[in-house]
Amino acid sequence: QVQVVQSGAELKKPGDSVKVSCKTSGNTFNGQYIQWVRQAPGRGLEWLGRIHPTRGDADYTQTLQGRLTMTADTSISTAFMELGSLTFDDTATYYCAARTTGDFDFWGPGTLLTVSS
Amino acid sequence: QAVVTQEPSLTVSPGGTVTVTCGSSTGPVTIVNYPYWFQLRPGQAPRTLISDTTKRHSTTPARFSGSLLGGKAALTLSGAQPEDEAEYYCLLFYGADRNRVFGGGTRLTV
Repeated sequence: QVQVVQSGAELKKPGDSVKVSCKTSGNTFNGQYIQWVRQAPGRGLEWLGRIHPTRGDADYTQTLQGRLTMTADTSISTAFMELGSLTFDDTATYYCAARTTGDFDFWGPGTLLTVSS
Repeated sequence: QAVVTQEPSLTVSPGGTVTVTCGSSTGPVTIVNYPYWFQLRPGQAPRTLISDTTKRHSTTPARFSGSLLGGKAALTLSGAQPEDEAEYYCLLFYGADRNRVFGGGTRLTV
């Protein structure tokens, strides 16, 4: 059974950066894309991007280009999503999802990021 | 970036049938948009219902089905149950820039 574990809640100030981790087990981490999605309070889902852990290639949403970086460490089956120059609008729950046969087969529990001065 | 549109809200009676649609500002939705459908309940992670237009996830009840309908992606719920009351989101893929865009979500009341 695939399990997805994310890092804990974060409290940051405007202008800070945050790095959220997403560890998977029970699947072939190296060969499958990891997707990242967020939901701000009272708002809908927003696709952030995806990364292929072994190839290292990533696609990002146009709206966060330049602030968003996705990486992966295959030795620990963990993907990372780093968002810089944080603003209040980045307050949201950040989710990762792992692929087996479909891109969003297994979801992590979410990581709450609060940006507050 | 493309804009993906859904009905803001729909209501269905218990046991009834309802269809949620998903349109794109760039033109008709087709299989190369690889439509996905997700269910979202407050305080929970999203739940994947449908991938690649019609494929049910292993945990998706058979009462949910996906299709293309009139140039849009569609999620049909046949035999609605009280536990189906939730928000539903579609996600479309745009190959030209390898981008994905969510619809605004549909709040379903049963």
